[in-house]
Parts: sequence; C-alpha cells; structure tokens
Amino acid sequence: KNEVEQSPQNLTAQEGEFITINCSYSVGISALHWLQQHPGGGIVSLFMLSSGKKKHGRLIATINIQEKHSSLHITASHPRDSAVYICAVPYSGGGADGLTFGKGTHLIIQP
Amino acid sequence: DVKVTQSSRYLVKRTGEKVFLECVQDMDHENMFWYRQDPGLGLRLIYFSYDVKMKEKGDIPEGYSVSREKKERFSLILESASTNQTSMYLCASSLGESGNTIYFGEGSWLTVV
Repeated sequence: KNEVEQSPQNLTAQEGEFITINCSYSVGISALHWLQQHPGGGIVSLFMLSSGKKKHGRLIATINIQEKHSSLHITASHPRDSAVYICAVPYSGGGADGLTFGKGTHLIIQP
Repeated sequence: DVKVTQSSRYLVKRTGEKVFLECVQDMDHENMFWYRQDPGLGLRLIYFSYDVKMKEKGDIPEGYSVSREKKERFSLILESASTNQTSMYLCASSLGESGNTIYFGEGSWLTVV
C-alpha cells in the first residue's frame, strides 16, 4: 500500500504570501491528485498530474516522479484560499483500486 | 455538470440500528468508492467497486457492507451502528483506471448515539 506524507499539517499566512505544500509517497504511481476541501465537507479535485507541472490560475502543482514528491503552490494567496488541501495517490500505485490520502494541510490566509 | 449525490447530509442514528447511506453518480463511471473522514486520520477507504455487483475491501471494511446493483448507485450499509462509526462519510466515483479525475459527493455526517 502506498504511504503518503504531507507537510505542513497547519499553515497560517498573510494575504499575498506565496504558499507551498509538500507531498511525498512511497510507491511509484500513475498519477497524483491534489484536492481541496472547504468547511462543510465537499472535496473538489484541483489537479491530477503524472509528470512535470500544471497551472490553474494562481495554483501550480509540480511532481518529481524519481523523488516521489509533489508540491502545491499558491501565488498571491487570498483569504478565500483558506481550506484543507489533500494529496492523494493510487492505493497500490496504479489500477482501479482507489486512492490513499495524506492527512491534509489546513491552510488559513489572514487578511 | 458532473455530479455525485449522497442522499443524506446529516443523520443521527441509535446504536444497533441498520443504516443505509446512498450514493448516486450521473457520469457513467465504472469506479465508486466509500471513504470515511476523521480528524487526525484523514480519509480512509472502506470499500470500492469497479463494476456492477463487484466490491473490494479497503482499509477499514469491518462493520460495513456495500451494494452495487446498478452502475450509478453504490450503497454503504452499517449492519449494526456503533458509536465508533460516528464520522463523515464520503462517496466518490471515477472512470476506469486511477489516472482519471475523481469526483466526490458532499459528504454525509453520521452521528451514532
């Protein structure tokens, strides 16, 4: 089973700061997911990536397959970015057997 | 717009009751999943299904069962609810292999008293 470590667990920053959240995993994977969860429970998929870098607005996700590591960056952070960010990888590396999740990073952006 | 719908957002049940949590997706996805989320433990896989009438155990299947009689519907059953099953339950679905986007329902908050 893949093991996922996320850091930091909690992060408080000021509006406008550059934010980095890190994720490492133990087993080679077909794709890594970054998810966002707002208070109330709903989870949305931000990125799914298997190599290189992806960008969506102020969010950037990178992955280094050799080092089994991914980062999620937020540029010009805003209070509405406050949420829990979760990294997820396939349970056993690939196949249709679901995901295993990091414990999440609780991000608070203060005005 | 793609959608995963969980039938109940908030439930309160008594110890020993049989509890059904229903999940429906409208995207014709093969894979469906049930997770529970607890503070400090993150999301943990209970069961998943990759086809109608197929099911596989996840990390924590004890005390739960599932049913998938139709492709769009995946039900989680607590045969005899216990207080340690108080949690938030999330249903999700995806296409085929795990390299596809996963879609989550809004979650069901279950309290067992």
